[in-house]
Amino acid sequence: DARVTQTPRDKVTEMGQEVTMRCQPILGHNTVFWYRQTMMQGLELLAYFRNRAPLDDSGMPKDRFSAEMPDATLATLKIQPSEPRDSAVYFCASGSRTSWTGGADTGELFFGEGSRLTVL
Amino acid sequence: AQTVTQSQPEMSVQEAETVTLSCTYDTSESDYYLFWYKQPPSRQMILVIRQEAYKQQNATENRFSVNFQKAAKSFSLKISDSQLGDAAMYFCAYRSAFPGNTPLVFGKGTRLSVIA
Repeated sequence: DARVTQTPRDKVTEMGQEVTMRCQPILGHNTVFWYRQTMMQGLELLAYFRNRAPLDDSGMPKDRFSAEMPDATLATLKIQPSEPRDSAVYFCASGSRTSWTGGADTGELFFGEGSRLTVL
Repeated sequence: AQTVTQSQPEMSVQEAETVTLSCTYDTSESDYYLFWYKQPPSRQMILVIRQEAYKQQNATENRFSVNFQKAAKSFSLKISDSQLGDAAMYFCAYRSAFPGNTPLVFGKGTRLSVIA
């Protein structure tokens, strides 16, 4: 059963520490998205990749966040240094590219179980 | 930029009854996908139902159906015969069908409670 795998599931850390979240997209999917979920802002897009190349990271605080895809099976989201306001659930999602009407693609994104980050 | 609005932060329904969750969206595109995702306390995002904008027929999946009104840019979710397991956050989402790799745009969500 194909699924998106995220680690860690939960992370508690001290302010100022580096945090790395990892995501294994579904094999064959060429797009990977990082979302952040908070009570106040809901689900926000942080960054996304196509064929491992970053397409848009405008939703990310550039000074402390970085996102990469070292290979097709791994996406990482790093926060350095972490701050209490970074506390949130971070979701990774993967999908295939959308196609014009009549294409086989369903448009669906598949989500991992999320990484809950708490920064004290 | 596209936006999705869910005007009901919370809803409740009696078990076995029917409930409708509202969603409106704003776009200048003619081809797109619309989705309802369910997020139970486990926080897993689960696809409930999808609709392609070019299809006039409303999508249905067992007890879940949508009322898609393209001209009004409205996409409501109807849950029939509500069950305790339906209690969750429900997110409406939009995705452009423009060829390429476009992200989902989410509404703020509606928290659904099911009363036994």
